[in-house]
Amino acid sequence: GAVVSQHPSWVICKSGTSVKIECRSLDFQATTMFWYRQFPKQSLMLMATSNEGSKATYEQGVEKDKFLINHASLTLSTLTVTSAHPEDSSFYICSARVTAGGGNQPQHFGDGTRLSIL
Amino acid sequence: DAKTTQPPSMDCAEGRAANLPCNHSTISGNEYVYWYRQIHSQGPQYIIHGLKNNETNEMASLIITEDRKSSTLILPHATLRDTAVYYCIVRVANNAGNMLTFGGGTRLMVKP
Repeated sequence: GAVVSQHPSWVICKSGTSVKIECRSLDFQATTMFWYRQFPKQSLMLMATSNEGSKATYEQGVEKDKFLINHASLTLSTLTVTSAHPEDSSFYICSARVTAGGGNQPQHFGDGTRLSIL
Repeated sequence: DAKTTQPPSMDCAEGRAANLPCNHSTISGNEYVYWYRQIHSQGPQYIIHGLKNNETNEMASLIITEDRKSSTLILPHATLRDTAVYYCIVRVANNAGNMLTFGGGTRLMVKP
């Protein structure tokens, strides 16, 4: 089945550090990947849609200069949290949908990255 | 966008069937119903999806009413490992792709 790999799974770093999170589709190509954020006891909130070879589309209220997204290939998207602060501490999850096979293909999610900023 | 309504929590005895309801009364004709679950501290796991016909796979069955305004996810023999938050999602399509909008979900607790 379709597998999405996310790395790292856990990051602890000092305030002001930039952190890069990778999302890979291991056995399929994905022209579109999605980045979500989840705070404790809350549901997932879509942050941005990552499009291979073009600029990401950000949801309202998400700072594009704060959360840099790069989708340079059909199997890799990266999210960089720039100058992270404690309020950026959260669970970041990526997902990807199999491009081929029709528009109703489900999205598959990575296991998430837990980011803790001290 | 079609929204979904789910009960916030449910209990189920181990070995029994778990029936999780979802209302999506504003669903449009070309929107699919997707079910995902999220076990604590993990990413969501795809379970099943359907348009109008009932669907079954190795994990669960999906029953969609004839008017498509509601659906039920059935886990035929719940185990303790099925304890999770279950999300019913109607897929929204936009220019950037087919994103998923997560609601509050149903927290299913399977008890011994």
